[in-house]
Amino acid sequence: EAGVTQFPSHSVIEKGQTVTLRCDPISGHDNLYWYRRVMGKEIKFLLHFVKESKQDESGMPNNRFLAERTGGTYSTLKVQPAELEDSGVYFCASSLPSSGANVLTFGAGSRLTVL
Amino acid sequence: KNQVEQSPQSLIILEGKNCTLQCNYTVSPFSNLRWYKQDTGRGPVSLTIMTFSENTKSNGRYTATLDADTKQSSLHITASQLSDSASYICVVSAGGGSYIPTFGRGTSLIVHP
Repeated sequence: EAGVTQFPSHSVIEKGQTVTLRCDPISGHDNLYWYRRVMGKEIKFLLHFVKESKQDESGMPNNRFLAERTGGTYSTLKVQPAELEDSGVYFCASSLPSSGANVLTFGAGSRLTVL
Repeated sequence: KNQVEQSPQSLIILEGKNCTLQCNYTVSPFSNLRWYKQDTGRGPVSLTIMTFSENTKSNGRYTATLDADTKQSSLHITASQLSDSASYICVVSAGGGSYIPTFGRGTSLIVHP
């Protein structure tokens, strides 16, 4: 079984540019979560999809972040325009419909560096 | 405010030795506590999950304990191996309809030969 796949593994952009991160969850996992870890801090929740619907986006920092999950399969997280404080590792996780956040499978993360 | 504090922040031990990592939390109402292992460049992988009624849970050389009264958990690693070098993250979920887990900052463990 393929795991949660994230792309790119590392992105380096300049302040003001746009970056789009992609997450392919495990097939059949309706729940998809985005998390972020800023250096030296704990992993923090960004948002939660159930299929194509945003269940909870209370963790999104501001309106420069846009997450989509068209068709309820893969998801993208776009940062536009990127700021220095957006640097960090963005994790995607997925779970079965019945598991919620109790049994998460994480991807390897996408490291974003904003210069 | 829900918080998870882990100690020590980092730990260096010799291969074959045992070690214990600590997790204190203030998440309420408590639902479950999980320990994750995160290898460098990888995503966190679940080691154990414990609910309110569970005091101890083992997964191979990893043994987690939970004291719901004092809101403390520990992860004990027995006979450490080089592959145990990783970050260990304590994650606590609240009940009462909230499902957003609270993550600790992790303990960075380095096992030296």
